[in-house]
Amino acid sequence: DAEITQSPRHKITETGRQVTLACHQTWNHNNMFWYRQDLGHGLRLIHYSYGVQDTNKGEVSDGYSVSRSNTEDLPLTLESAASSQTSVYFCASSADRVRGYTFGSGTRLTVV
Amino acid sequence: QKEVEQDPGPLSVPEGAIVSLNCTYSNSAFQYFMWYRQYSRKGPELLMYTYSSGNKEDGRFTAQVDKSSKYISLFIRDSQPSDSATYLCAMRTGGGADGLTFGKGTHLIIQP
Repeated sequence: DAEITQSPRHKITETGRQVTLACHQTWNHNNMFWYRQDLGHGLRLIHYSYGVQDTNKGEVSDGYSVSRSNTEDLPLTLESAASSQTSVYFCASSADRVRGYTFGSGTRLTVV
Repeated sequence: QKEVEQDPGPLSVPEGAIVSLNCTYSNSAFQYFMWYRQYSRKGPELLMYTYSSGNKEDGRFTAQVDKSSKYISLFIRDSQPSDSATYLCAMRTGGGADGLTFGKGTHLIIQP
């Protein structure tokens, strides 16, 4: 069955370190998204991609970057982790721009 | 003013009751409306998807959109303890260029 997987499920890192969160989908979806979810803020869009080599900034992109070298993967990199980036990160994908998304199970990141 | 407003709850109702969950929004360009259900420590899953105004029914779930009032609702009939979760509304513009905008979610508790 097609799926979208995120790794790791949990990560603890130190302030200033570079961290990469993985997202891999086997739906063959062109569109992929990264959100963070925080109490009091809900889900906020970080970056998104509508195809290979395409990346776009979302609402809260500062301190994050993505690259899309193939259809299946959209890794999210925190260039220099900060305590404010402690959050739960969700990756999602969709077949087109108007349908709902399929979400991964999330990565819980703690920056100490 | 946030683009999408949703009462965080918690909303606690007895098993078998009809549940009404709501969101209001300010952006008149939103045309696609969705409801997601999120269990604790899981990713959101798509429940309902509607385009423009009107009603859509799927089993015990009914989604309503009133674009003139900028108001959307999700009704759950014959509520079950397994419906206990956080319900997120989400919406996007017709072009869909910048992803989904989510409400913060309503925490629903169905008492056995």
